[in-house]
Amino acid sequence: AQSVTQLDSQVPVFEEAPVELRCNYSSSVSVYLFWYVQYPNQGLQLLLKYLSGSTLVKGINGFEAEFNKSQTSFHLRKPSVHISDTAEYFCAVRGLYNFNKFYFGSGTKLNVKP
Amino acid sequence: DTEVTQTPKHLVMGMTNKKSLKCEQHMGHRAMYWYKQKAKKPPELMFVYSYEKLSINESVPSRFSPECPNSSLLNLHLHALQPEDSALYLCASSTLGTDYGYTFGSGTRLTVV
Repeated sequence: AQSVTQLDSQVPVFEEAPVELRCNYSSSVSVYLFWYVQYPNQGLQLLLKYLSGSTLVKGINGFEAEFNKSQTSFHLRKPSVHISDTAEYFCAVRGLYNFNKFYFGSGTKLNVKP
Repeated sequence: DTEVTQTPKHLVMGMTNKKSLKCEQHMGHRAMYWYKQKAKKPPELMFVYSYEKLSINESVPSRFSPECPNSSLLNLHLHALQPEDSALYLCASSTLGTDYGYTFGSGTRLTVV
């Protein structure tokens, strides 16, 4: 089985500052990794995903994430945040051969202040 | 069309009512999912349909009854719910290949009174 840990439940940051949201996973098999964003009263939107290849993955809205196999991490970064980035961010993992089950982390609330 | 559409967006129902949630997608995805999300929590998987057949039921109480009438539609029938069932119910769809993420709908906010 797989599991995901998001180390910070809330991250406050000022507008135009850089931000990193942390995600660690555990799995006995190779995995695919995802970041989703959820705006208030909305569903989840895929930000980016790591399947294979380059460990630095670029997503939408200027976000990127780096897969680190030795540290079993997949941290999300943005060099300069905007007020509109205020949302809940979920890291998720899926085993290579278990197509139907995602394991979500508990979420990190990014609060961007003016 | 790259969306998953859920109706209604909001639903208030009594504990003796019967209601249904609807989910529709036209992306040709052959896997569809129901998730339940409580406030400030991650989504929890309820059901998975693959090729219109129920493939995963995460031990969900029988007061929740899923249905997949065709490859584009997914319903969740509700009966005799409890107040603790109040939550955001999310539908998602995906391809069945290895290179995919889910596409989520915007959810139905359910309140049981």
